Amino acid sequence: SYVLTQPPSVSVAPGKTARITCGGSNIGVKSVHWYQQRPGQAPVLVIYDDSDRPSGIPERFSGSNSGNTATLTISRVEAGDEADFYCQVWDSTSDHRIFGGGTKLIV
Amino acid sequence: EVQLLESGGGLVQPGGSLRLSCAASGFTFNSYAMSWVRQAPGKGLEWVSLISASDFRTDYADSVKGRFTISRDNSKNTLYLQMNSLRAEDTAVYYCAKGDCGGDCRFVDSWGQGTLVTVSS
Repeated sequence: SYVLTQPPSVSVAPGKTARITCGGSNIGVKSVHWYQQRPGQAPVLVIYDDSDRPSGIPERFSGSNSGNTATLTISRVEAGDEADFYCQVWDSTSDHRIFGGGTKLIV
Repeated sequence: EVQLLESGGGLVQPGGSLRLSCAASGFTFNSYAMSWVRQAPGKGLEWVSLISASDFRTDYADSVKGRFTISRDNSKNTLYLQMNSLRAEDTAVYYCAKGDCGGDCRFVDSWGQGTLVTVSS
């Protein structure tokens, strides 16, 4: 089955830019979605279809997808951004929704 | 505002059964596919099952196929997950989630707060 690979953690200083990657075989042809999960809370959709933001999500959050890697970029990182981030795709071959293992953003 | 309220979690012995419910409000329930997603303690997210909006087509993760059954009652705006033959590895917080469409949704755009299922003797 299709596998998504994320780094376990990413560290960034406040005010800097964080980049969280999601690797998968030819992931560039798939639509990638990103969720943020703060400690003790339910996940929240922050990016869908590679680079679109749901209403209410700050413009500091952006996404890209090409080749074998999708990337979530968070600009001007704030302490409140500290959370686990998960990428997700729909694998049409298996008709399953697949999550990456998650990345802990440490601010 | 979309609201999803799960219930029915608890402690169950291995081999036992449990039925989860999710009461939905704030959107036209019968127009959107719904999913269950779970998260084992300290682990990542795992998609469990999906049911389409009106033709009730279902899909399951391989790990639960044949043991779990997803269903919905559009007259009650409620989603269900019947879990049978439970195993220790089914221990997790189970989230109810709203799809972005009525059928083969690519992602979920709203989540409930989750209900904890613990399978242990």
